Amino acid sequence: GDSVTQMEGPVTLSEEAFLTINCTYTATGYPSLFWYVQYPGEGLQLLLKATKADDKGSNKGFEATYRKETTSFHLEKGSVQVSDSAVYFCALSEGIYNQGGKLIFGQGTELSVKP
Amino acid sequence: SQTIHQWPATLVQPVGSPLSLECTVEGTSNPNLYWYRQAAGRGLQLLFYSVGIGQISSEVPQNLSASRPQDRQFILSSKKLLLSDSGFYLCAWSGDSFSGNTIYFGEGSWLTVV
Repeated sequence: GDSVTQMEGPVTLSEEAFLTINCTYTATGYPSLFWYVQYPGEGLQLLLKATKADDKGSNKGFEATYRKETTSFHLEKGSVQVSDSAVYFCALSEGIYNQGGKLIFGQGTELSVKP
Repeated sequence: SQTIHQWPATLVQPVGSPLSLECTVEGTSNPNLYWYRQAAGRGLQLLFYSVGIGQISSEVPQNLSASRPQDRQFILSSKKLLLSDSGFYLCAWSGDSFSGNTIYFGEGSWLTVV
């Protein structure tokens, strides 16, 4: 079945460092890909998404490009801030009409940014 | 704009007691609705999803059940809680597949079974 694999955390960075969180997927069809962020004690918020190959999603300085050839959707940010400390989830949507587009999540990667 | 609310936010229940978590969505009609669980230190697991009133699909066998009595209301229940039911429960909604499959989450409910 479809699955998502993320790099294990926790990831600890200094403020203004470059961030990469790796995400790879396996899917039989043409899924949409997502990054969600979960701040401590809160629900999940959509960070960015891409719906087809070579699309780049971006938001709040974060970027991820849908790479079909490498089945990857790595999250990047050029300069992280303390406020970016959170758990980041990569996810794919099966996008099957009858199934309502369920999300399959990776295990999450905890990011801790130190001042 | 669309909003989603779930309650209660925090719940401490004894083993063997019943459970009811409620979720409502506003600002949209005929949404797809979901219940996810996040156990401590783990990723998210889809428990139930619904594409319409009275239509519930269960993803994993468990001690929980879900119901959708109205278009924008989704309820997670249990008759007798187990210790292993502890976790963070998230309700979510999405439009149909033509609108891009983006899923939006509620604030979550922390359940501790003691």
